[in-house]
Amino acid sequence: AQSVAQPEDQVNVAEGNPLTVKCTYSVSGNPYLFWYVQYPNRGLQFLLKYITGDNLVKGSYGFEAEFNKSQTSFHLKKPSALVSDSALYFCAVRANTGGFKTIFGAGTRLFVKA
Amino acid sequence: DGGITQSPKYLFRKEGQNVTLSCEQNLNHDAMYWYRQDPGQGLRLIYYSQIVNDFQKGDIAEGYSVSREKKESFPLTVTSAQKNPTAFYLCASSTGGGPLWDTQYFGPGTRLTVL
Repeated sequence: AQSVAQPEDQVNVAEGNPLTVKCTYSVSGNPYLFWYVQYPNRGLQFLLKYITGDNLVKGSYGFEAEFNKSQTSFHLKKPSALVSDSALYFCAVRANTGGFKTIFGAGTRLFVKA
Repeated sequence: DGGITQSPKYLFRKEGQNVTLSCEQNLNHDAMYWYRQDPGQGLRLIYYSQIVNDFQKGDIAEGYSVSREKKESFPLTVTSAQKNPTAFYLCASSTGGGPLWDTQYFGPGTRLTVL
């Protein structure tokens, strides 16, 4: 079965420290991978995506993600967290399920403490 | 400004009522999508449309209906057959120029509550 897993419901980090939000996937073929962020009572905002090429993808607001094919992972990272980064983060993958569709992870809530 | 609008922001439904959620986009995107978000469950696909006058069921289409009469509009009706409609509903669109299911752009959402 094709799926996306975000193993942590919540990540806590102090402001100024590096942050990592984890994502692993299971799909057939070459994956398109995405990260989205959601602030309270708002829609999702696109952060970054990986289709092909360099394994390190840079996105909005200083975020980046590293594609690791052998570990089937696509972890989201930021060198220095801000309190304003506190939000719900979703990993997603474009999968071939007999027709393409986007599969979203359950989300990881990030808390950045001042 | 280009973007996706959803209305209303909050909606209350009585038992047995049908309600319609509006979604409009001015991004000139071909594809549009409806998702349902429940706490801890991520997003689940209700319906999607690749082109005007065509739409496909997603994973949880039962109790919902859609129409796509205009490129800009993709309204969702929550019917009385949907037994647990209380949720946050998100509309999205993506360009048809690239592969379907490429980057999606989301509206601000509608929170539906059954009274």
